Amino acid sequence: DAGVIQSPRHEVTEMGQEVTLRCKPISGHDYLFWYRQTMMRGLELLIYFNNNVPIDDSGMPEDRFSAKMPNASFSTLKIQPSEPRDSAVYFCASSTFMGTGELFFGEGSRLTVL
Amino acid sequence: GENVEQHPSTLSVQEGDSAVIKCTYSDSASNYFPWYKQELGKRPQLIIDIRSNVGEKKDQRIAVTLNKTAKHFSLHITETQPEDSAVYFCAASFGNEKLTFGTGTRLTIIP
Repeated sequence: DAGVIQSPRHEVTEMGQEVTLRCKPISGHDYLFWYRQTMMRGLELLIYFNNNVPIDDSGMPEDRFSAKMPNASFSTLKIQPSEPRDSAVYFCASSTFMGTGELFFGEGSRLTVL
Repeated sequence: GENVEQHPSTLSVQEGDSAVIKCTYSDSASNYFPWYKQELGKRPQLIIDIRSNVGEKKDQRIAVTLNKTAKHFSLHITETQPEDSAVYFCAASFGNEKLTFGTGTRLTIIP
């Protein structure tokens, strides 16, 4: 398996624009996680899915953020409208178990909002 | 919910010396404690983990110790090498609950 695949790797956009980040988890992993990493706040869990169903979105900062998982091999994280404070690295991760299973992270999407 | 505190936030050690990073957790029910390493510009990767039924686990130059009474666990790296330079994250969870990460320690190995 190629591991967790994220795109784009880098995104530069202007404030107010819509941003869509994409993730393909490892085949057979039932759990998918979206994390945001910043210097100030470290690794924050935004939302996670189990078998394509959103389970906990309490980490989503506000209504501008939304995530979907239409099938077992694809998920998106959307920010609309984007703001400069959304600039961060967004990681997608997948796992076979919740809590005690190894998290396999993608390479991350570095977002810069000007 | 669980709260994990990690210290120090930065650590510099001479190559060949040992490095120790400490974490404390708040939920006494937590029973799984992994450590992730993130090299500059790369993804976090699991390097070692420990479960609450053991007090220590070793894998070559790295080891993790757990003190459930005091609710703290530590990462020990011996004979440090330049490739050990990275950010290290501790984490804790209980059962099927989500992992809670510490804030990270930036370790720099001085040649």
